[in-house]
Amino acid sequence: DAGITQSPRYKITETGRQVTLMCHQTWSHSYMFWYRQDLGHGLRLIYYSAAADITDKGEVPDGYVVSRSKTENFPLTLESATRSQTSVYFCASRTSGLDTQYFGPGTRLTVL
Amino acid sequence: AQSVTQLGSHVSVSEGALVLLRCNYSSSVPPYLFWYVQYPNQGLQLLLKYTSAATLVKGINGFEAEFKKSETSFHLTKPSAHMSDAAEYFCAVSATGANSKLTFGKGITLSVRP
Repeated sequence: DAGITQSPRYKITETGRQVTLMCHQTWSHSYMFWYRQDLGHGLRLIYYSAAADITDKGEVPDGYVVSRSKTENFPLTLESATRSQTSVYFCASRTSGLDTQYFGPGTRLTVL
Repeated sequence: AQSVTQLGSHVSVSEGALVLLRCNYSSSVPPYLFWYVQYPNQGLQLLLKYTSAATLVKGINGFEAEFKKSETSFHLTKPSAHMSDAAEYFCAVSATGANSKLTFGKGITLSVRP
């Protein structure tokens, strides 16, 4: 099906482990984004990408790594997970210009 | 730089009553403004957006918002609340460049009482 998908939807891990969250979109949108959603903070931008092989930091990038070798995929890696990274993570995409940003269903990550 | 303020974290209305969710923005350039809705355990869905055309913007599900530059506001309204409107609502602002990014408010939870 067309759209934007995230996997896994739920993940429990332990402090210090590496975790990768996947994001895939079928629209060939240029821009892709990773946000984290925390109570009292709304959505905060972690990283974004304007095109394949072009990524840049957002508001809260520390502890995260991204890559974008293909237009349709934008994985987010937590190199050494910490409890403070327990959150709901949303991926989003849009075309270039000022089009609507479309969101995936989210990944709920718990770091024990 | 842009920022958004959504006053209060929770609004409760009766079914059939007016819904008013407030959003004030700060922007050093003419802004684009958005309202998104998030239903439980789902991603965000666009309700409506202002992109410098008409100041009164109509969205999905009977919602509308008015851009008021003098008040730096973009409040969301709906004349008559339905139970299905219960959700979290986010206001967001962006600049007008192609590389612009959305800055979100902290969100408001809307409850609808029968």
